[in-house]
Amino acid sequence: GDSVTQMEGPVTLSEEAFLTINCTYTATGYPSLFWYVQYPGEGLQLLLKATKADDKGSNKGFEATYRKETTSFHLEKGSVQVSDSAVYFCALTSFQGAQKLVFGQGTRLTINP
Amino acid sequence: GAVVSQHPSWVICKSGTSVKIECRSLDFQATTMFWYRQFPKQSLMLMATSNEGSKATYEQGVEKDKFLINHASLTLSTLTVTSAHPEDSSFYICSARDYSSTEAFFGQGTRLTVV
Repeated sequence: GDSVTQMEGPVTLSEEAFLTINCTYTATGYPSLFWYVQYPGEGLQLLLKATKADDKGSNKGFEATYRKETTSFHLEKGSVQVSDSAVYFCALTSFQGAQKLVFGQGTRLTINP
Repeated sequence: GAVVSQHPSWVICKSGTSVKIECRSLDFQATTMFWYRQFPKQSLMLMATSNEGSKATYEQGVEKDKFLINHASLTLSTLTVTSAHPEDSSFYICSARDYSSTEAFFGQGTRLTVV
C-alpha cells in the first residue's frame, strides 16, 4: 500500500540555520503531496502542497518540490526561526477510494535562539 | 482557507462513561470526514472515514462498537468513545474534505483523558 517515510527526528537547529527534512513516498499512480505542521497541543495545519510532478509548494519561507523520479518531497527553509519549532508531517493523498491521507511518522523540530 | 472546528479541545472523564467529540465544517460542505488518533510523539493513525449519510468505514483493528461515528449532515460529524477506559486516553483529530478537493482541513484536536 501507499506509504510515507520521513527522516527521523528530533532535529535541533540554531536560529537562522538551513533546514531540510527528507520525505520519500511509495504510491501507485500520481498522488498529491503535503506538508503539515503541528504546534504543541494543536491540530494540524497545512503548510504547503504539490499536486503533480515538478510542482513546488511554498509557504512562510518553506519550500518542497514534487520529485517523481526520486519519489521525494523534501521540506526546506533557508533560515529558520524559533517560531518554526513544531512537528512536521509529510503526507500523501491516494486517489483510490476515499482519498485518505497517509502520514509519515513526523519530525520534531526545535529551533534554539 | 476552510475552517474545521472541533469541540471540546480537551475533556476528562471517568472510566466507564462515554464521551462525544464534535467536528464541524464552518464554511464548506464536508462530504467526507476522517477521524484520527495520535499517541504522544507519534504520527496520526486513521481510525475511520465517514461519508455524509453513510455508515463509517473503520480501519483494521479499530473497534466500531467502541468508537461510534455519526456523519448525519454535511457540516457535522461526531465521534463517541463508549465505555471509556484509561487506555483510550489520547489526542483525537478530525479532518474534513468536500467532494471536489484533494485537500483535507483539520480540526484543532481533542485531548481525552480517562481517569
